[in-house]
Amino acid sequence: QQQVRQSPQSLTVWEGETAILNCSYENSAFDYFPWYQQFPGEGPALLISILSVSDKKEDGRFTIFFNKREKKLSLHIADSQPGDSATYFCAASGPGTGSNRLTFGKGTKFSLIP
Amino acid sequence: DPKIIQKPKYLVAVTGSEKILICEQYLGHNAMYWYRQSAKKPLEFMFSYSYQKLMDNQTASSRFQPQSSKKNHLDLQITALKPDDSATYFCASSQGGGRVAETLYFGSGTRLTVL
Repeated sequence: QQQVRQSPQSLTVWEGETAILNCSYENSAFDYFPWYQQFPGEGPALLISILSVSDKKEDGRFTIFFNKREKKLSLHIADSQPGDSATYFCAASGPGTGSNRLTFGKGTKFSLIP
Repeated sequence: DPKIIQKPKYLVAVTGSEKILICEQYLGHNAMYWYRQSAKKPLEFMFSYSYQKLMDNQTASSRFQPQSSKKNHLDLQITALKPDDSATYFCASSQGGGRVAETLYFGSGTRLTVL
């Protein structure tokens, strides 16, 4: 049973466009949702995160929109740049999951049309 | 300079053998973790340690044994290796004691291939 799902599996946009990456979850106990960015050959790195008490979190060109009722969230990448090409992972954790254990989705591979 | 050092970067092993994956962090963090990433599955939590004590364990098999000899070390011993163990193993750390919502900092991983 996959507790965190991401779509699409891959996404390609033109430079300058806004990209939308989707994530949904099943466990109502999840209340912390980080997004991690991973480049080939490297480990994931935290990009932006949100707590379930908020419905929006912005950091520069990156914005998370969160819908607790529907158990969905999305990452918007505005003004996409070549350096944004990476795999993006949605993750989740909460007090009911035990410690700081993160449950990850399978990721969205994001790239720009050259 | 990398703050979380994982050694080796690549590792090839034969079925049935034993290997140790090394992880050292120089961030002064109190919690350390192991995650596994394979082609078929999402990044999976394996273990977490807080102040050198096991805090959480999601690995059913006793073939995987974390070892914490120092506060900033968390090695992973894998015995009786199987081809299904082939994956990239990531070490991570967080500043506090491993509470929910602490930011995880990941190393660059050890890519293990079991033949």
